[in-house]
Formats: sequence, structure tokens, C-alpha cells
Amino acid sequence: EIVLTQSPGTLSLSPGERATLSCRASQSVSNNYLAWYRQKPGQAPRLLIYGASSRAIGIPDRFSGSGSGTGFTLTISGLEPEDSAVYYCQQYGSSPTITFGQGTRLEIK
Amino acid sequence: EVQVVESGGGLVQPGGSLRLSCAASGFTFGNYAMTWVRQAPGMGLEWVSGISGTGGSTYYADSVKGRFTISRDSSKNTLYLQMNSLRAEDTALYYCAKAGRSGWPYYFDCWGQGTLVTVSS
Repeated sequence: EIVLTQSPGTLSLSPGERATLSCRASQSVSNNYLAWYRQKPGQAPRLLIYGASSRAIGIPDRFSGSGSGTGFTLTISGLEPEDSAVYYCQQYGSSPTITFGQGTRLEIK
Repeated sequence: EVQVVESGGGLVQPGGSLRLSCAASGFTFGNYAMTWVRQAPGMGLEWVSGISGTGGSTYYADSVKGRFTISRDSSKNTLYLQMNSLRAEDTALYYCAKAGRSGWPYYFDCWGQGTLVTVSS
């Protein structure tokens, strides 16, 4: 089973700044099958990025994903107060088990 | 509008059973794999089970294997999760989600709001 480790655990930034969230895999993720989700308080997760770098429908270009192999990054530029949420990475390259990272909490102060 | 809506959660005693349902609409149900993901109170996301678009292949996390059964009924556009031998550690909000394709595994592009399962005496 591929273990995903996200860092930092919590990130506190100001509006307009750039956030960089990391997701490291215990082994290489096949085909860069890595997705990112955002979960706002009291809401279901929402898909942001799939295939490590492709934006999901309706996701603004402030959100970008990069990386390959065992290291992946979600970058959010021009932070807005609504970006406060927990962000999860998920790998789907290792069948049949999929795994999620433990999450990074982003606070916009 | 693509939508999935869960139901069937509730309070159940340890060792008891519960069946969750997920009604899908706005897409051709049989063309997409589906999954159940749970979230214990204050915790992160944990994948529970998945099923291919045809229903011919099913997958389970080790934590629920042998106790939970996933199934789907294309005539009703509904996904199910039969949960038996429930334990306190199964207490969580259970999300149903649609995959981006028929095959497994994949990412999930539509999530429901979840149904709460509480296992307690």
C-alpha cells in the first residue's frame, strides 16, 4: 500500500500570498495518478487536480499541481479567504487500494 | 446536474448491521466506477470500498474486508454498502463518490454530502 504524507500539517498565510502544499509518496505513483481535493468545513471534498497537474472543471487557474514519481505539490496563488480548508492528496495508481494523505489545513488570516 | 445523494445512516449497536444507499442522477450510472469513503469525526478521509462501472469487480480496504459488501443496481441508479458486524471504529460520515471512468481505481469528481453512521451501545 502506498502511504501518502502531506506537509505541512497546518499552513497560515495572508490573503494574496501563495500557498505550497506537499504530498510525498512511500513509492512511485504510477502514471502520476495523483489527485488533490479541497474540503471546506461542513462540506464534502471537491476535486481540484487530477493526473498530478490537470485542473478539474470549474477550478480557477490560481490552483496548479506539479510533480511526479514520489513528490507532488499543490500551489495556490493569490490566496482568498474562501481558500481556508483542508486539502487532501489521493493516489489512484496502485490497484486496487487507493489512499489519501492525512491532509493539510490551510488558514487564511 | 451530476449528483449523488446518500441515505441510510443512523445509530446501530456494536455487532449490528446497516445498509447505506447512494442515489445517482445526471449521468449514465453504469459508465462509471463508484466508491465509498468515510471520515471519522475530526479525522481525515479513509477509502472504504469501490466497484467498477459494470459491477463485476469490487474492492475493499483491509479494515472492512469480510464485513462490508458493496453493490450497485443500474436499473435504479443506486449504489449500496451493506455493513455487518459493525464496530465502534466504523463510526463516521460515509461519502458516496463517482469516479471519472468505469475502470478502477481512479479519481472522484462528484461527492455526496454524506450519511452519518454511529456505532454505539
